[in-house]
Amino acid sequence: GAGVSQSPSNKVTEKGKDVELRCDPISGHTALYWYRQSLGQGLEFLIYFQGNSAPDKSGLPSDRFSAERTGGSVSTLTIQRTQQEDSAVYLCASSSSPSGSTDTQYFGPGTRLTVL
Amino acid sequence: GNSVTQMEGPVTLSEEAFLTINCTYTATGYPSLFWYVQYPGEGLQLLLKATKADDKGSNKGFEATYRKETTSFHLEKGSVQVSDSAVYFCALYGGSNYKLTFGKGTLLTVNP
Repeated sequence: GAGVSQSPSNKVTEKGKDVELRCDPISGHTALYWYRQSLGQGLEFLIYFQGNSAPDKSGLPSDRFSAERTGGSVSTLTIQRTQQEDSAVYLCASSSSPSGSTDTQYFGPGTRLTVL
Repeated sequence: GNSVTQMEGPVTLSEEAFLTINCTYTATGYPSLFWYVQYPGEGLQLLLKATKADDKGSNKGFEATYRKETTSFHLEKGSVQVSDSAVYFCALYGGSNYKLTFGKGTLLTVNP
């Protein structure tokens, strides 16, 4: 079936604006992850969902960042009052593991966010 | 906490050369270890993985062996091709920590 999809692929916004990034995981995958890839920080974990619950939000860098997942499928990452340091590629991944164990995470193509 | 250290690049090789990219880790318990690859303009793809000590992961001619005694998971390929040019990431997943911890990535360029 289809892989993980993300939209938009590119987003340019002005400092202070809010943005929403969307992730469609592989059908049937119960675990969903958000990561951020930036030049200075490499690949960083942001948040993990199991179903619609988020047992690990430890990677969210500030309270401007939030995420939700509905119907155990689509997830939205929202960044409020964007700052230039938020510029990065935001990656979504999903896995079939129901307990967050060692199953492989499959990544989407990412959303490149540029904050001017 | 968990951490991954991999050799810094960039690494430039000629076609058919031998490749080693070193990766060491720090983790509690018994993590699973992964190599992901990111080809130019594409997303992250799993290259290979190993879930317990002494396991060898292999794919597309690449190999890595999970060495618990040296906490290492070095990536090797006997004869690289131009098409192997990409960024390679070592990662671990372990314990109650429901996330992948990545190394900083190594850019490999293979010249014809």
